[in-house]
Amino acid sequence: DSGVTQTPKHLITATGQRVTLRCSPRSGDLSVYWYQQSLDQGLQFLIQYYNGEERAKGNILERFSAQQFPDLHSELNLSSLELGDSALYFCASSLTGSGVTEAFFGQGTRLTVV
Amino acid sequence: AQSVTQPDIHITVSEGASLELRCNYSYGATPYLFWYVQSPGQGLQLLLKYFSGDTLVQGIKGFEAEFKRSQSSFNLRKPSVHWSDAAEYFCAVGHNNAGNMLTFGGGTRLMVKP
Repeated sequence: DSGVTQTPKHLITATGQRVTLRCSPRSGDLSVYWYQQSLDQGLQFLIQYYNGEERAKGNILERFSAQQFPDLHSELNLSSLELGDSALYFCASSLTGSGVTEAFFGQGTRLTVV
Repeated sequence: AQSVTQPDIHITVSEGASLELRCNYSYGATPYLFWYVQSPGQGLQLLLKYFSGDTLVQGIKGFEAEFKRSQSSFNLRKPSVHWSDAAEYFCAVGHNNAGNMLTFGGGTRLMVKP
């Protein structure tokens, strides 16, 4: 168990809908990262938050947004969902926000858009 | 731009045989390198990491990896594979910039024959 908790584990929704994925980082970690794992794109970095502030942005669509709350949990919001958004979404956390440190991954939320 | 290549999509080895998974990276500065393992239905677990120092690094579960700057490689090895090692393995490079994102390779799926 990495200590990173993601909910829900599975989500099935229809095209055009909006969903929210939740992540609780390891105790003491200040950074949260979101990654998307899909068959065609592999594992891709979406966005990083550090202590409530956006720190780095990757290939995140405009329909997607994230935030980190004062208690350091994070939410990834996906809207106007398309079939191609079906993927496994991972959250990871690390102690610091810069410099390279190891990140600990949650078990992921599997999103299926039908 | 940074990239990670894992040339072997699938590898099958017999239980007890040795294993080497290949990873090549492209990165302009000193690379920070990681190997993660993903078991079916599970998140990503860190096997080992290389930041600096000894180019042969030891990890969990009996894995080791060797950093070879001249070959831009960071291959993962295990002297004797167990059936429980069947999983997908990801090599990643960390970015020492404003954030701490990881760029992952496409993964190698390991199957173990009894």
